[in-house]
Amino acid sequence: LAKTTQPISMDSYEGQEVNITCSHNNIATNDYITWYQQFPSQGPRFIIQGYKTKVTNEVASLFIPADRKSSTLSLPRVSLSDTAVYYCLVGDMNTGGFKTIFGAGTRLFVKA
Amino acid sequence: KAGVTQTPRYLIKTRGQQVTLSCSPISGHRSVSWYQQTPGQGLQFLFEYFSETQRNKGNFPGRFSGRQFSNSRSEMNVSTLELGDSALYLCASSFSINYGYTFGSGTRLTVV
Repeated sequence: LAKTTQPISMDSYEGQEVNITCSHNNIATNDYITWYQQFPSQGPRFIIQGYKTKVTNEVASLFIPADRKSSTLSLPRVSLSDTAVYYCLVGDMNTGGFKTIFGAGTRLFVKA
Repeated sequence: KAGVTQTPRYLIKTRGQQVTLSCSPISGHRSVSWYQQTPGQGLQFLFEYFSETQRNKGNFPGRFSGRQFSNSRSEMNVSTLELGDSALYLCASSFSINYGYTFGSGTRLTVV
């Protein structure tokens, strides 16, 4: 199962775009990349998932280069309520392995 | 529709006791996963059940066990509690093992 490496913490200001990069050097062919957001004392919440190139939804964009050894979660114009921990997960969609390894996450702090 | 429901929300137990936590998945979801979250170790995968069968298992001692019933509800049990078992225990459900999942709010277990 592919392990992930993310920055421990990031600071930003309201209205800025935030990019959080996750490294997953040993990602396998069947692995997907999933990002979750977690607020204190709550369970993680799904943000976005992708396999290659770019995925966009109403909340975020996910950029995945051709070698898939890293991915970048992009949050446009963050607000104070985006202060949370963001987790990058990598794993096999077919076996459920994509659910099994959470890294340490990135603690994003958005300031006014 | 109702989300993932975990009971109880809070629990205090004494070392050496055992505890059973309950998780009711979203209606129609057949996969249930359990996670332990502590400040020191982060989010760690315990196990996943699908149609009453354990499909994936994390690296926890045998004191941690689980089961899933025919209605997809799941329980996890921890025997011979240790102080280090104090944590937030999260349950997540999904339609199938290769689908994204929704977390509950967790059960906060304190072992004294």
